[in-house]
Amino acid sequence: LAKTTQPISMDSYEGQEVNITCSHNNIATNDYITWYQQFPSQGPRFIIQGYKTKVTNEVASLFIPADRKSSTLSLPRVSLSDTAVYYCLVGDPRGYQKVTFGTGTKLQVIP
Amino acid sequence: DAGVIQSPRHEVTEMGQEVTLRCKPISGHDYLFWYRQTMMRGLELLIYFNNNVPIDDSGMPEDRFSAKMPNASFSTLKIQPSEPRDSAVYFCASSLSDSNQPQHFGDGTRLSIL
Repeated sequence: LAKTTQPISMDSYEGQEVNITCSHNNIATNDYITWYQQFPSQGPRFIIQGYKTKVTNEVASLFIPADRKSSTLSLPRVSLSDTAVYYCLVGDPRGYQKVTFGTGTKLQVIP
Repeated sequence: DAGVIQSPRHEVTEMGQEVTLRCKPISGHDYLFWYRQTMMRGLELLIYFNNNVPIDDSGMPEDRFSAKMPNASFSTLKIQPSEPRDSAVYFCASSLSDSNQPQHFGDGTRLSIL
């Protein structure tokens, strides 16, 4: 299983763009990169998933370099409601073998 | 559409008692996962099912833990006997088997063993 490394915490002011980088040096060929968001007292919520290059949806963008050994979640113009823990997961979604949630990055958005 | 439904949302019980947590996955999803989250260990996968069959239970901490999925719309996680160190938030998640489908989580059961 590919191990992931993320910063433990980040602070950002409202309205700023936030980039959270995840390292996954031993990512396998079939692995996808998935990001989840978790608010207190709630279960994790899917944000975005990608395999290579760039993926964008209404919530975030995901940048994956050619070597795929890292990925960056980009949140445009964060608001206070984006304060949450963000998890980066790496795994093969087809087999649903154990994908591991790491410690995540606790993002604190400051007014 | 209804999401993953877990019950109860909170459970407080005394050490040694049996605890049963319940989960109703999203209709049509054929994978079901049970996780445990604590401050010390983060989010840990305990067991997962595919088409009601347990596939990997290597994350189940001890024989005191057991999980069943009698049908596609219901699963239980049972702890017997419960211990204070089992106190945690337990999440259930479900997903489709199609490639790239993410897991959808319930809001969890906060379990406190006194």
